[in-house]
Amino acid sequence: NAGVMQNPRHLVRRRGQEARLRCSPVKGHSHVYWYRQLPEEGLKFMVYLQKENIIDESGMPKERFSAEFPKEGPSILRIQQVVRGDSAAYFCASSPSVNTDTQYFGPGTRLTVL
Amino acid sequence: SQKIEQNSEALNIQEGKTATLTCNYTNYSPAYLQWYRQDPGRGPVFLLLIRENEKEKRKERLKVTFDTTLKQSLFHITASQPADSATYLCALAASGTYKYIFGTGTRLKVLA
Repeated sequence: NAGVMQNPRHLVRRRGQEARLRCSPVKGHSHVYWYRQLPEEGLKFMVYLQKENIIDESGMPKERFSAEFPKEGPSILRIQQVVRGDSAAYFCASSPSVNTDTQYFGPGTRLTVL
Repeated sequence: SQKIEQNSEALNIQEGKTATLTCNYTNYSPAYLQWYRQDPGRGPVFLLLIRENEKEKRKERLKVTFDTTLKQSLFHITASQPADSATYLCALAASGTYKYIFGTGTRLKVLA
């Protein structure tokens, strides 16, 4: 029973490029959450998605960031025109239902913007 | 604004002793509190969840308390081992919400 998978684990981009982060939730989980973690800071909620729907994107910057969770395939967090301040660890979590069920985290993608 | 405080300084303890980590919060009334373990370069791993109407929860060598009057949770690891060395995060959520607010974590080092 595979856990949450994220790829790539490490991603290096130059300023102005696009970053695509992928997340495959635990099999059978239809709720996906994305978090960002900066050094010495706590995990910050970005967006919550169910299959094909964005439920809450209140933690995601309004520009350059987007997320999707298509009917088939992984959830994607997309960052356009990356800047140095986007460098962080991005974690995806999934749960079988909402209402504060335990969220299972993936290993994260570490994005470095040069 | 809502704030969660965990001791940012690392906690060093001797193997076999009980480690106690603290999570304090302000301007918040969580219904759920979770503790996670995070190793360097890895994602958080869920350890325990405690609800506001529960005073204490145990799992093997772990114990969590939740005092809504003091606005504090204590996380204990008894008979600590070097393998327990990691950063421990607390996270809070209000009733009916999926949004957990995370603390910055406390780094625990168990010395052999």
